Amino acid sequence: GAGVSQSPSNKVTEKGKDVELRCDPISGHTALYWYRQSLGQGLEFLIYFQGNSAPDKSGLPSDRFSAERTGGSVSTLTIQRTQQEDSAVYLCASSPRGGRNEKLFFGSGTQLSVL
Amino acid sequence: AQKVTQAQTEISVVEKEDVTLDCVYETRDTTYYLFWYKQPPSGELVFLIRRNSFDEQNEISGRYSWNFQKSTSSFNFTITASQVVDSAVYFCALRPYSGAGSYQLTFGKGTKLSVIP
Repeated sequence: GAGVSQSPSNKVTEKGKDVELRCDPISGHTALYWYRQSLGQGLEFLIYFQGNSAPDKSGLPSDRFSAERTGGSVSTLTIQRTQQEDSAVYLCASSPRGGRNEKLFFGSGTQLSVL
Repeated sequence: AQKVTQAQTEISVVEKEDVTLDCVYETRDTTYYLFWYKQPPSGELVFLIRRNSFDEQNEISGRYSWNFQKSTSSFNFTITASQVVDSAVYFCALRPYSGAGSYQLTFGKGTKLSVIP
């Protein structure tokens, strides 16, 4: 399809395991964002990519979280040594150029459950 | 620091009623953008509208209208003659024009709207 694709849609893992979440943005979009949505905290910014670089990663909650983007396209968000508080929906979004007034196109998210 | 407050956590209306979703924001920036997004049960946030801080003209799109008042830092959203398909969570968001944080959207906690047939 032509939208933002995220996989897996659901991920159940055990505390202490590492997980990788994938985002495939809309073709040609240079800007890519990760957000986290949880009941208590609402929607929180995690990281912004422009091409393969991340000018803003100030929202990553701890050094257990990392993200990369390769080829200016697919991005992977990695959470190491998962904790129960990491349980949330992880949303990816993209936009054409990263302009401040651009609308974001969101994927359907990955529901992460840490047992 | 930016802050967006959506005081209404949940609203229920009967179909065909009008409903207004409130959004109040805080920012020290003089230039910024405001957005509304809709999140239906499928989970994917969908863009509804964008407004520049220097443009206070209200906007109407079909059954949707938005009232931006810079003097009260509010950007309210009204649905006229609500329909069941309007049931969703609605988010108001703010993004600075420049500077630290300008790569980020700051979202409110959202208002869950239920339209009862």
